[in-house]
Amino acid sequence: EIVLTQSPGTLSLSPGERATLSCRASQTVGSTHLAWYQQKPGQAPKLLIYGTSSRATGVPDRFSAGGSGTDFTLTISRLEPEDFVVYYCHHYGSLPSTFGPGTKVDIK
Amino acid sequence: QIQLVQSGAEVKKPGASVKVSCKASGYTFTSYGIGWIRQAPGQGLEWMGWISAHNGNTNYAQTLQGRVTMTTDTSTRTAYMELRSLRSDDTAIYFCARAYSALLSFQYWGQGTLVTVSS
Repeated sequence: EIVLTQSPGTLSLSPGERATLSCRASQTVGSTHLAWYQQKPGQAPKLLIYGTSSRATGVPDRFSAGGSGTDFTLTISRLEPEDFVVYYCHHYGSLPSTFGPGTKVDIK
Repeated sequence: QIQLVQSGAEVKKPGASVKVSCKASGYTFTSYGIGWIRQAPGQGLEWMGWISAHNGNTNYAQTLQGRVTMTTDTSTRTAYMELRSLRSDDTAIYFCARAYSALLSFQYWGQGTLVTVSS
């Protein structure tokens, strides 16, 4: 099973700042098999990124992502008030599919 | 529009079973599969498994093998997840989500069903 580790656990930033979230895998993940989700309180996760770097439909272009092998990154170029929530990475290149523990982005 | 609507909250005693439903609309049900993901209170996401609505093939998380069964009813466009021998640590929100295969991301999600296991 591939274990995903996300860092930091909490990221404290101000609106307008740039956020960089990390996801590290315990084994190599196929470059087309890594996704990122955003979860707001009381809601289901929302797909932001699939295939490591492809934005899902309707996702603003301030969200970008990349990486390869075992190291992947989600970047939010300029934080908007609605971006201060939790983000999860997800690998689906092999079974079992697994999720990272999440990074909470909160307001400094 | 594509929607996944789940059944309502459940309260169960330890040792009991629960069956959560997920009714799909807005797309060809048998062209995709349904994954199940759960989230314990204040915790992260746990992949439980996936079922093909085309042929019923399933993939389950090893940790739940033997306790979980996923099924679909194509006549009603509904997927089901049954979890048996419930324990207190099965208390969680259970989500269904659409994916073409077990090896793809989840673009559409249900609203979640809270299952509480308590004596």
